[in-house]
Amino acid sequence: AQSVAQPEDQVNVAEGNPLTVKCTYSVSGNPYLFWYVQYPNRGLQFLLKYITGDNLVKGSYGFEAEFNKSQTSFHLKKPSALVSDSALYFCAVGRTDKLIFGTGTRLQVFP
Amino acid sequence: EAGVAQSPRYKIIEKRQSVAFWCNPISGHATLYWYQQILGQGPKLLIQFQNNGVVDDSQLPKDRFSAERLKGVDSTLKIQPAKLEDSAVYLCASRQTRARQPNEKLFFGSGTQLSVL
Repeated sequence: AQSVAQPEDQVNVAEGNPLTVKCTYSVSGNPYLFWYVQYPNRGLQFLLKYITGDNLVKGSYGFEAEFNKSQTSFHLKKPSALVSDSALYFCAVGRTDKLIFGTGTRLQVFP
Repeated sequence: EAGVAQSPRYKIIEKRQSVAFWCNPISGHATLYWYQQILGQGPKLLIQFQNNGVVDDSQLPKDRFSAERLKGVDSTLKIQPAKLEDSAVYLCASRQTRARQPNEKLFFGSGTQLSVL
């Protein structure tokens, strides 16, 4: 069975500082990994995905994620946080055409 | 392009009542999903359609939940009768590919927030 874990319910960071939102996964075989973001009263929006290739994946809004096979992690990162990045972030794993989502991490960026 | 449309945006009902949600996916998207997102949890897949056929409904509580996509375009999710624990946001999502390809992103609607009192 495949699963994904987001160990932090909330991450707080000051504007301009780097941010990291953590995600670990469990899946048999090669994983397909995704990050989605959810703004208030909105549906989930795709940020980036890892299928194969370069371990550093670049996505929307300046976000990137690093795939680490030995640590089974896929952490979301951004070099300089913006207040507008404040939202709920979901990591997801999929081996077929269905996605399994984590419980989400609320990112709060303070001015 | 137009996104995934869902209605209503909010719904408040009493337990044991019935409720229905509607979803219109992005034009041309063959695959449609209904997810349930309970407060503080990640979205959980309820049912997946490929055109007008059900691909996976293993997590759908079939004693009270039903869904259909009769013409392979828009879809309706129904709960009858509702329970308190059904309070959640119901998200509809779609994707374009027909084959079982896992690497295509999903497009989500804004969801229907259901409160069961």
